[in-house]
Amino acid sequence: GAVVSQHPSRVICKSGTSVKIECRSLDFQATTMFWYRQFPKQSLMLMATSNEGSKATYEQGVEKDKFLINHASLTLSTLTVTSAHPEDSSFYICSASKGGRGLSREQYFGPGTRLTVT
Amino acid sequence: SQKIEQNSEALNIQEGKTATLTCNYTNYSPAYLQWYRQDPGRGPVFLLLIRENEKEKRKERLKVTFDTTLKQSLFHITASQPADSATYLCALDNNNAGNMLTFGGGTRLMVKP
Repeated sequence: GAVVSQHPSRVICKSGTSVKIECRSLDFQATTMFWYRQFPKQSLMLMATSNEGSKATYEQGVEKDKFLINHASLTLSTLTVTSAHPEDSSFYICSASKGGRGLSREQYFGPGTRLTVT
Repeated sequence: SQKIEQNSEALNIQEGKTATLTCNYTNYSPAYLQWYRQDPGRGPVFLLLIRENEKEKRKERLKVTFDTTLKQSLFHITASQPADSATYLCALDNNNAGNMLTFGGGTRLMVKP
């Protein structure tokens, strides 16, 4: 169990357009979902944390108006990159956590979405 | 400042040997430390979690140690196989309510047949 899917796996868009990425926990309910960005040969950088039904918490330096996160249910979170620019090109990965404090601590990651902005 | 350091140079070893990867941290007091495997173009996969009051944890050919005095974790793969070739990431969890993790830069392991 604990499978997380992401869609699309790859997307190419033109500068100025918006792109939506979906993250779903397929066989469990995710208390919390996380969005990361990873540039080539670098580690994962946390962008934001989202809990179902509440506003996302963004990390310092991440523009909340540019990276819109919606966590509509316990199995679905979406990240929308608005007015994308070439510097937003990156590998975006979501993860989901099953439990809260004292419970399951590991995160289950999606396969990632490669975004290329031309 | 806070740091999580993993050897950025690739570790090359021969099949059958034990691979040992290091994770050092500064200015953190993690309640948990986790290790993940990441293959190119894929999301990380959870491997092991070790708590601050545990010194060692094993799972099949994997062993993790956690020394909170040295602020270091070691990750061992015994009887390594070419299929173990990947990047291995350590991640710290400060026991915050949000389950947030902070990742190290990862170490690439290459196991040669």
